[in-house]
Amino acid sequence: EPEVTQTPSHQVTQMGQEVILRCVPISNHLYFYWYRQILGQKVEFLVSFYNNEISEKSEIFDDQFSVERPDGSNFTLKIRSTKLEDSAMYFCASSEGSGGSKNIQYFGAGTRLSVL
Amino acid sequence: GEDVEQSLFLSVREGDSSVINCTYTDSSSTYLYWYKQEPGAGLQLLTYIFSNMDMKQDQRLTVLLNKKDKHLSLRIADTQTGDSAIYFCAEMHPGGYQKVTFGTGTKLQVIP
Repeated sequence: EPEVTQTPSHQVTQMGQEVILRCVPISNHLYFYWYRQILGQKVEFLVSFYNNEISEKSEIFDDQFSVERPDGSNFTLKIRSTKLEDSAMYFCASSEGSGGSKNIQYFGAGTRLSVL
Repeated sequence: GEDVEQSLFLSVREGDSSVINCTYTDSSSTYLYWYKQEPGAGLQLLTYIFSNMDMKQDQRLTVLLNKKDKHLSLRIADTQTGDSAIYFCAEMHPGGYQKVTFGTGTKLQVIP
């Protein structure tokens, strides 16, 4: 069964460093998302991406964050200068498209980001 | 704004039924989902229901939707120890970009 894959599973970085979290969405999917879950808290929407541009972003997704689809398969989340409060589990998701069950979002296993 | 609430904890005995409840505020939600998260793992889609349905059954899982009260429930029949996990209720909003709003999650503990 097709799945969303994320790498690495755990990323440790120093405060102020840049990190790139990588995702390979399901191959025929057109919509891509990033969510994050701070330990013990809700899963929060960060950004959605369609047709090579951001469709919607939350208040969390400030200028320190960016997303990119550098090629036909990868979808990345970059944090330019990490802060301690960026420590969280980051989930990538993808969906096939609009309408009916095509809206269902499938999630990857997540990347745990630890900022020291 | 959108908000999804769940009770934080549920404990049941193995073999009993579990019922996890959820309330949401956005009456325009189109889809409502249940995701399962095992310790240290990702979000596994369990089931979903479209907003014009009242009930959906999938093997041991039954989803009930009361749209008037904005109440969603997940019933797990014959609960097993492998069902121990956090269960997230989530809603999707209409419009082109399909943001999903998650609830707080209910931790289900199954006692052998």
